[in-house]
Amino acid sequence: AQSVSQHNHHVILSEAASLELGCNYSYGGTVNLFWYVQYPGQHLQLLLKYFSGDPLVKGIKGFEAEFIKSKFSFNLRKPSVQWSDTAEYFCAVNGGYNKLIFGAGTRLAVHP
Amino acid sequence: DVKVTQSSRYLVKRTGEKVFLECVQDMDHENMFWYRQDPGLGLRLIYFSYDVKMKEKGDIPEGYSVSREKKERFSLILESASTNQTSMYLCASSFDFSYEQYFGPGTRLTVT
Repeated sequence: AQSVSQHNHHVILSEAASLELGCNYSYGGTVNLFWYVQYPGQHLQLLLKYFSGDPLVKGIKGFEAEFIKSKFSFNLRKPSVQWSDTAEYFCAVNGGYNKLIFGAGTRLAVHP
Repeated sequence: DVKVTQSSRYLVKRTGEKVFLECVQDMDHENMFWYRQDPGLGLRLIYFSYDVKMKEKGDIPEGYSVSREKKERFSLILESASTNQTSMYLCASSFDFSYEQYFGPGTRLTVT
């Protein structure tokens, strides 16, 4: 069965620090990959997605993610976080099934 | 912009009550989904629908049923609410299963 693993459940950073959130999935075929973000009190929204092509994808608010097929990974990065990036981040994978598989989420707290 | 709305943001019900959660999307999407979101578990798929009157079980369908009588509306039904169904319920829709999903604001259900 497909699964998605997010390595860090809680991350605490100071403003201007760099961010990398890990995401690994288990599926050997073609995948579509997503990162969603949920800001406090808000609905889940798409941060970025990868379907094909350049494995380095850029999303909203300065976020980017790199698809490394050989490592089954899709890590999320941001060079310099802001207090407003405090949120919960979810990695999701669609590997040919009629549904998305979500990771457990990573709660990010950014201190000013 | 796609808009997915849910009938209630907060709901408190008693054990044994029948509970209806409504979801409406305005983008003519074929696919609609119901998830529950619990801390540390991410999003878990309850049911999804790929057409009017069509439904499929997700990963945790026990204790739930769904109804899709119109394309834009997807209802989640708790036949006899139990305390372990206290959770955040999220509705989503998508144009295609491999595309991104658009989420509603969620309904926080408390069963006492």
